[in-house]
Amino acid sequence: AIQMTQSPSSLSASVGDRVTITCRASQGIRNDLGWYQQKPGKAPKLLIYAASSLQSGVPSRFSGSGSGTDFTLTINSLQPEDFATYYCLQDNNYPWTFGQGTKVDIK
Amino acid sequence: EVQLVESGGGLVQPGGSLRLSCTASGFILTDSWMSWVRQAPGKGLEWVANIHQGGAIKFYLDSVRGRLTISRDNAKNSIYLQMNTLRAEDTAMYYCARFIPIGTSDPFDIWGQGTMVTVSS
Repeated sequence: AIQMTQSPSSLSASVGDRVTITCRASQGIRNDLGWYQQKPGKAPKLLIYAASSLQSGVPSRFSGSGSGTDFTLTINSLQPEDFATYYCLQDNNYPWTFGQGTKVDIK
Repeated sequence: EVQLVESGGGLVQPGGSLRLSCTASGFILTDSWMSWVRQAPGKGLEWVANIHQGGAIKFYLDSVRGRLTISRDNAKNSIYLQMNTLRAEDTAMYYCARFIPIGTSDPFDIWGQGTMVTVSS
């Protein structure tokens, strides 16, 4: 199975900060990667698909990049509603695998 | 409104069975690959199974293959997860989700609210 190593596991940031989360795949996955946001007690929400495409309705401060094994989610100018846990997911090969998550909380 | 609604979760003893349902509204399920994703309490997300639009093609996480079975009834706009020989490690919130093939990517664009399964004596 492809292992997705996500880092950091948690971070503290302030409103207005730029935040970067990375995901590394144990083997190449082309650009078959999505990023999801999950708030406590809620279902995940799609932010980015195909590594860098912004899902409809998602604010443009969210962006994704990468291909192959290394991927990045960037949140420019962090907003109060962005404090949540973020997951990457590879859908290149079965079993599909998520990163372990990055919890973004308030500094 | 486009939504997925899960039901059928609950408390079950180890070795027991449960059947989860997920009903779609606001879109035609026939057009969609569907999935189950789970999340143990306080833990991360784990993909469980996928089912093709017609129901003939299915994929499973190794640890659930042979015990959990995904199925669908397009006439009822629903998918199901039959859970047999349940173990404590199956305890989780179970989400159904739709994914849409976009090129080679398959993002989950619609999620249900989840249904909780607790396996305990």
